[in-house]
Amino acid sequence: DIQITQSPSSLSASVGDRVTISCRTSQSVSTYLNWYQQKPGKAPKLLIHTASSLQSGVPSRFSGGGSGTNFTLTIKSVQPEDFATYHCQQTDGTLTFGGGTKVEIK
Amino acid sequence: EVQLVQSGAEVKKPGESLRISCKGSGYTFPRYWIGWVRQMPGKGLEWMGIIYPGDSDTRYSPSFYGQVTISVDKSINTAYLQWTSLRASDTAMYYCVSSRVLDYFEYWGQGTLLTVSS
Repeated sequence: DIQITQSPSSLSASVGDRVTISCRTSQSVSTYLNWYQQKPGKAPKLLIHTASSLQSGVPSRFSGGGSGTNFTLTIKSVQPEDFATYHCQQTDGTLTFGGGTKVEIK
Repeated sequence: EVQLVQSGAEVKKPGESLRISCKGSGYTFPRYWIGWVRQMPGKGLEWMGIIYPGDSDTRYSPSFYGQVTISVDKSINTAYLQWTSLRASDTAMYYCVSSRVLDYFEYWGQGTLLTVSS
């Protein structure tokens, strides 16, 4: 199976900060890398698919980048509603998720 | 509007069997993949398996192969996740997911909380 290393596992940020989360895969997944947001007690929500495509309805302050084995999710100016846990997922072969990154208010 | 509505929370004893459900609406059910994701308490997401209702093509994560069974009833737009003998370690939230393609999960159900305890 392809392993995913997501970092950091948690971070603290202030409203308006730029936040970047990384995922590294154990082998190339091309651009088959997705990002989901999960708020406490809720189901995850698709934010970005195939590395950089913004899902319909997702604010443009979210962006994704990368290919091969290194990927990033960036929140340009984090808003109060963005404090949540973010999960990456690779879908090149057996689907796997990263361990998650909890974004907390500083 | 696409909706996935899952069956309610369950409390079961080790060794018991269980089937939970996920009913899709607002889209052409046979043409979307529908699958299951586990989230153990305080942990990350784990993909369990997925099925294409149109031809019943079913794929399992190696971690869950032989541990659960995924099925569908196209006549009522419903997918199922089934266990024959539950363990305490099956305690988790289970989400159903659906998508037109296998590349990502577009839609998520609200989750079914399973508690297995003696």
